[in-house]
Amino acid sequence: DADVTQTPRNRITKTGKRIMLECSQTKGHDRMYWYRQDPGLGLRLIYYSFDVKDINKGEISDGYSVSRQAQAKFSLSLESAIPNQTALYFCATSDGDSGGTEAFFGQGTRLTVV
Amino acid sequence: QKEVEQDPGPLSVPEGAIVSLNCTYSNSAFQYFMWYRQYSRKGPELLMYTYSSGNKEDGRFTAQVDKSSKYISLFIRDSQPSDSATYLCAMSAWSGGSNYKLTFGKGTLLTVNP
Repeated sequence: DADVTQTPRNRITKTGKRIMLECSQTKGHDRMYWYRQDPGLGLRLIYYSFDVKDINKGEISDGYSVSRQAQAKFSLSLESAIPNQTALYFCATSDGDSGGTEAFFGQGTRLTVV
Repeated sequence: QKEVEQDPGPLSVPEGAIVSLNCTYSNSAFQYFMWYRQYSRKGPELLMYTYSSGNKEDGRFTAQVDKSSKYISLFIRDSQPSDSATYLCAMSAWSGGSNYKLTFGKGTLLTVNP
């Protein structure tokens, strides 16, 4: 089983719909992250959480919200999806003892907004 | 100026070639320097990391950091078709408490042709 699991793996949704991407991890890490990856733009941080009570905006949080339901679960919501949110989304985790060097990524969710 | 600059390529080389991948950065606060490898339709995985200027070897891979020039490189010797992937440089800086902020380059797409 994967250490970081994202669901769904692929999703097509319509403009204006609310959608939730889910992430669960078995690494036991406190820190969890949501990134989006676009061709030519690389990985960009949407939100991050250093523990269950801590939520922080990343560089591109507009149009997104998150919920840290437990240490192992971190979900990303698009309240009203728009076509430029079409991207590959990654959840990641890390521990606090490695200088932030190693982030463990899920397999990604490919989201298409039509 | 972006904090981390990476030429996106693509880079295509014959099998057995020496590959050089590079990133420059502007933030002097970066302390850890990493290379991640991302295969198609997968999440990135940590390949190597270092925190000091100089070279670090791991098999066919060598990571080089020059803090005075704010320049890092990844060299791949005797490249193999299985090395075909996107390579992302990443750097981390302390962001308070025991937390570090991770910043990625855009990634370089490498193809090694048999």
